[in-house]
Amino acid sequence: KAGVTQTPRYLIKTRGQQVTLSCSPISGHRSVSWYQQTPGQGLQFLFEYFSETQRNKGNFPGRFSGRQFSNSRSEMNVSTLELGDSALYLCASSPGQDFIGNTIYFGEGSWLTVV
Amino acid sequence: QQPVQSPQAVILREGEDAVINCSSSKALYSVHWYRQKHGEAPVFLMILLKGGEQKGHDKISASFNEKKQQSSLYLTASQLSYSGTYFCGTANFGNEKLTFGTGTRLTIIP
Repeated sequence: KAGVTQTPRYLIKTRGQQVTLSCSPISGHRSVSWYQQTPGQGLQFLFEYFSETQRNKGNFPGRFSGRQFSNSRSEMNVSTLELGDSALYLCASSPGQDFIGNTIYFGEGSWLTVV
Repeated sequence: QQPVQSPQAVILREGEDAVINCSSSKALYSVHWYRQKHGEAPVFLMILLKGGEQKGHDKISASFNEKKQQSSLYLTASQLSYSGTYFCGTANFGNEKLTFGTGTRLTIIP
């Protein structure tokens, strides 16, 4: 069974640009969540989706947005990039309707560098 | 509410035991433990649910103290492969988000 797939794996963007990251969950998983990981900050929660509906949102500015499609694939978008957005963005999927009571499977992440 | 992990870093010799703690300021519904090696995705180790149900990983155990609102991860007879950063994630009652701590870096030396 294929794991969580994230694309692209690495990308470099310039300040002010926007970026879209993609995540394909494990087949059959309908819950997807996104995390931002930076040194010293651990994993910061961004969004959580189930069946195309955003269930939860973290404390990030409106520049960060996401969505989930009918096939459970998810995308997140960051507009007007800032240097501080440089991070590893991790996507995770869960077999249940939520993450709090189920095992989470993480993808390898998308490394975003903003210059 | 981000859980607090301790210690932040620890270095052990192969064969020694390690304990990593995770504390929350609010009542816990569940605690998740993950290990991440450099450049890799976090990997599931253990999930503990209120009420005592535990879904885990062999050779690694954990406790869930509901009264103290904390969990501890126990690594016995550590192996070189145990090196990595350990994250706990907590979900509190009334808050369905899974929030992770800043991690504990474990280094096992021969």
